Amino acid sequence: QKEVEQNSGPLSVPEGAIASLNCTYSDRGSQSFFWYRQYSGKSPELIMFIYSNGDKEDGRFTAQLNKASQYVSLLIRDSQPSDSATYLCAVNQGGKLIFGQGTELSVKP
Amino acid sequence: DVKVTQSSRYLVKRTGEKVFLECVQDMDHENMFWYRQDPGLGLRLIYFSYDVKMKEKGDIPEGYSVSREKKERFSLILESASTNQTSMYLCAGRGSYTGELFFGEGSRLTVL
Repeated sequence: QKEVEQNSGPLSVPEGAIASLNCTYSDRGSQSFFWYRQYSGKSPELIMFIYSNGDKEDGRFTAQLNKASQYVSLLIRDSQPSDSATYLCAVNQGGKLIFGQGTELSVKP
Repeated sequence: DVKVTQSSRYLVKRTGEKVFLECVQDMDHENMFWYRQDPGLGLRLIYFSYDVKMKEKGDIPEGYSVSREKKERFSLILESASTNQTSMYLCAGRGSYTGELFFGEGSRLTVL
């Protein structure tokens, strides 16, 4: 079992729709969780972090954390073509950030 | 935010060459990391360092070493490059109390 798992996609949504990206992790002791966006040929950039169970909203982005079920998700509302990228989930395990493989998102105009 | 600078964006080396990948961060933070990124495999941690002169192995340290002589500089060394080390290498510095990583632009290494 991989430590951090994401569906590789591609996930395709129409412009204006909600994109839902999911991530599961294996280490129950993990305390902090991060979502990064990576455009093709570029390095990852942080979108959001979340520590506590529940939802955290930042503009069109909402991160959701459920520690009991060991999953974290990212919702993107009103998806735009500029949101097309690979989204990486990262989990802090003992001070190291462990990354999932990433989910490729394509937003169609 | 932490600004992380990698000295070389693109490198082409030959098998057996010694390769240095340099990384500098502009914040007074101790934590620095080297990852490699390959299609289908995601980002994998090679080495990390929490302080000067200190280094810890990540998940795939074989064939690599690191140097941390000054707090702001963390170098990745390939003692004898091999073709399976062709990859994108990403250096990262850890931000403030929130713990997120800030990445450099990456160094794409091709070993022929």
